[in-house]
Amino acid sequence: RKEVEQDPGPFNVPEGATVAFNCTYSNSASQSFFWYRQDCRKEPKLLMSVYSSGNEDGRFTAQLNRASQYISLLIRDSKLSDSATYLCVVVMNRDDKIIFGKGTRLHILP
Amino acid sequence: NAGVTQTPKFQVLKTGQSMTLQCAQDMNHNSMYWYRQDPGMGLRLIYYSASEGTTDKGEVPNGYNVSRLNKREFSLRLESAAPSQTSVYFCASTPWEGRTEAFFGQGTRLTVV
Repeated sequence: RKEVEQDPGPFNVPEGATVAFNCTYSNSASQSFFWYRQDCRKEPKLLMSVYSSGNEDGRFTAQLNRASQYISLLIRDSKLSDSATYLCVVVMNRDDKIIFGKGTRLHILP
Repeated sequence: NAGVTQTPKFQVLKTGQSMTLQCAQDMNHNSMYWYRQDPGMGLRLIYYSASEGTTDKGEVPNGYNVSRLNKREFSLRLESAAPSQTSVYFCASTPWEGRTEAFFGQGTRLTVV
C-alpha cells in the first residue's frame, strides 16, 4: 500500500459548485498533515494545514480522521482560479520525511 | 527575501554526463529536501537533510548523491546521467523538520538525451 494515496482525477466541476477530495495515509504514526496546491509547471505552495479539530479558510475546509487515516479538502463556491492540482502531504515525525500524494487534478468549468 | 533558489532552471545532458543541481535557502531553515516530479507520479522524495550535517535516503535515491554543504545549501549530484532521470527537480526547505510549511524552489527541468 502506498504511504499516501489520492484519486488522481481529473475532477471536472462547474463554477460555483462544491467539490471534495479525500486522501488516505498508511502510517498511523503520521503526525502532520497539509494540503498543497500546484499550478501547471510551477512549484507546490501550501494551501492549508490540517488539524485534528479541522480548520477552515474562506471557501476551503480541511478535515482529519485519524481513526480511518484520511484527510479531506472541501472547496465551496468553486472559482475558475481554483483549477490546479491539489497535493495531500503527510509528515512522519519519526524521521522528518515529507511524503506527497500524487495529486488530484481539478478543472473548474465556466 | 529570495526564499529557496535553485540553479540551473533548465539543463540538457547527454547520457553519462554528470552535473550538480544547486539549492540554497536564506530563511535559516534546518531541514532541506530534494524531490523529482514526473508526469502522473507526483513528487517523489530523493534525499533529505533533517539538519546540517545529516542526510538520509528517500523513496528514489538510486543514481543520486547529495551534500549538505552548510545550513543554507543542499546540492544534488547526478554522477552518470540516464534518460530515466529526465524530470523536474524541486528543492524544498522547512524551518524545523517537516512539521510546518515547506517552501519550494522554482524547479530545475532536466532532460537527459
